[in-house]
Amino acid sequence: QVPLKESGPVLVKPTQTLTLTCTVSGFSLTNPRVGVSWIRQPPGKALEWLAHIFSNDEKSSSTSLKSSVFISKDTSKSQVVLTMTNVDPVDTATYYCVRIVRGAALGLYYFDSWGQGILVTVSS
Amino acid sequence: SYELTQPPSVSVSPGQTATISCSGDKLGDKYVSWYQQEPGQSPKLVMYDDNKRPSGIPERFSGSNSASTATLTISGTQAMDEADYYCQAWDGTTGVFGTGTKVTVL
Repeated sequence: QVPLKESGPVLVKPTQTLTLTCTVSGFSLTNPRVGVSWIRQPPGKALEWLAHIFSNDEKSSSTSLKSSVFISKDTSKSQVVLTMTNVDPVDTATYYCVRIVRGAALGLYYFDSWGQGILVTVSS
Repeated sequence: SYELTQPPSVSVSPGQTATISCSGDKLGDKYVSWYQQEPGQSPKLVMYDDNKRPSGIPERFSGSNSASTATLTISGTQAMDEADYYCQAWDGTTGVFGTGTKVTVL
């Protein structure tokens, strides 16, 4: 396991913007074969992929949340930032920072190392 | 949007074989990975590229993927295998997780 650590607020009010930071160690954000994803899990529910970013700044985000989810990185700080605008109580979830590996074959990606997660509650 | 469907639960006796299915349109044309999540823990990769085990994952875990169904098989299931399992695939550049299966070792 390669350490990834999530940080950010644990309580956010509806309509506010949520900003989460992932600090990585043990690998470099300049490595072309790996990147960082954000995945969330509402209490008692399934995992949901949100976004990912690679060293060349290639990024993708959930089509259902595309207008409210943004991902960026600061390579010098070994950090990846997730921003979600206009949050709602349904966004209450544990948010995981995860290393994503790009395999040799086209379309082959997988998540090989997960952070411990941060539980974010959206409530007034 | 692309969907992956799993049975909500699978029960298995110790030492027997547990089979977890994951169904999606033309899933056999995609690469599937599987994640194990024990209660209160972060998920862990147990299978990638349909049938490849990461280092440290026991040989009793195996995977396959064909047509519209991917399968994770646990042979000789042990009590420690009791967990939630999620399949995952890519629809273009969008990640999709399955609905999850709770494996209970009775």
